[in-house]
Amino acid sequence: GENVEQHPSTLSVQEGDSAVIKCTYSDSASNYFPWYKQELGKRPQLIIDIRSNVGEKKDQRIAVTLNKTAKHFSLHITETQPEDSAVYFCAAGNNAGNMLTFGGGTRLMVKP
Amino acid sequence: EAGVTQFPSHSVIEKGQTVTLRCDPISGHDNLYWYRRVMGKEIKFLLHFVKESKQDESGMPNNRFLAERTGGTYSTLKVQPAELEDSGVYFCASNRQGGEKLFFGSGTQLSVL
Repeated sequence: GENVEQHPSTLSVQEGDSAVIKCTYSDSASNYFPWYKQELGKRPQLIIDIRSNVGEKKDQRIAVTLNKTAKHFSLHITETQPEDSAVYFCAAGNNAGNMLTFGGGTRLMVKP
Repeated sequence: EAGVTQFPSHSVIEKGQTVTLRCDPISGHDNLYWYRRVMGKEIKFLLHFVKESKQDESGMPNNRFLAERTGGTYSTLKVQPAELEDSGVYFCASNRQGGEKLFFGSGTQLSVL
């Protein structure tokens, strides 16, 4: 089955700096890679996703890159703000939304 | 549109007791998933319903866990008897057939003492 590794497990940055979270996956059949953000006490929410026919996707301050050959994908957050503080989960799946395999999560702390 | 709702939000029980978690998916969502996050680790897949049918239950840890979705609406996940290692946050999620975005509930924090 699919195995997703996520690093780092915790990340602390100064407000305004960039943050990068990296994930690797094992199943070459995976073609859908979403990222979820879980703020303290709230539910995980989709913030961005990418399909394997695309190498990069951007939405304002967040971007995701995918390297299919190396089987890794990354989340980039620029100009971080305190409200970006949360746990971020990457995931991989081979059908949109079905049977997603999640990474271990990254706790991002943005210090004002 | 109401989101995915889960009940209870927290449950504290003793080892050997029974607990039943409930999930109400978004209306019209045929797909319903149960996930679990054990302290600090990944969100791990438990099972997937399509309407009332179990599509994939490969993630269910053992036969102490029983999930149902009678009528294809809400779902329950029963743990009987609960063990210490069952502690964690149980998430329910749903989406439409062929839908991309997975909508999560707020989770049930289960503590087995």
